[in-house]
Amino acid sequence: QVQLQESGPGLVKPSETLSLTCTVSGGSISSSNNYWGWVRQPAGKGLEWIGRIYTSGSTDYNPSLKSRLTISVDTSKNQFSLNLSSVTAADTAVYYCARVSSHYYYGVDVWGQGTTVTVSS
Amino acid sequence: QSVLTQPPSVSGAPGQRVTISCTGSSSNIGAGYDVHWYQHLPGTAPKLLIYGNNNRPSGVPDRFSGSKSGTSASLAISGLQAEDEGDYYCQSSDSRLSGHYVFGTGTKVTVL
Repeated sequence: QVQLQESGPGLVKPSETLSLTCTVSGGSISSSNNYWGWVRQPAGKGLEWIGRIYTSGSTDYNPSLKSRLTISVDTSKNQFSLNLSSVTAADTAVYYCARVSSHYYYGVDVWGQGTTVTVSS
Repeated sequence: QSVLTQPPSVSGAPGQRVTISCTGSSSNIGAGYDVHWYQHLPGTAPKLLIYGNNNRPSGVPDRFSGSKSGTSASLAISGLQAEDEGDYYCQSSDSRLSGHYVFGTGTKVTVL
């Protein structure tokens, strides 16, 4: 059973870069027909799709974040990562990593437990 | 601002049936993109409840059902139980956003 675990700093200063890593266990990140993505939820608000990556390296970003966003994959470590630059308080949220599966018509069938990131000086 | 609109809240007594609407447009649900539904209980990660408009993953009770028509979709919960209390989100894609995923505004389900 595939499991996802987010890791990274819980506090980031304004204007700096938010970096998170998601470690995939219980299966290979290179397995076909899966995308790997990120979702966030600011306190008291709804879910927001951030972006996704295929193991080939092709990416798909939320247009509202695209200019600040990089998602990458490291198949040797079975990990994928999120980098969001020039952060502001509006980027404070719980960040989830996720698996998008073609088996489920590209719905998200596996989620990480979520990690809280606060942007503050 | 999400392009998929859900009612902020719905409520029902145990055993009752409630429905949650997800209203989109011709660029997302009406364009034929699949709709997925997620259950987000307090302190937990979201859980896939319905995929591909009306399919349940293994382990999801048949009390949960999904449908889609035109530019809208719905999630129905029958035989409402206390453990169903939480937030529910629809998700689809939008051609005006180059096919990117979008979530609905979310609905809080309260069991009276």
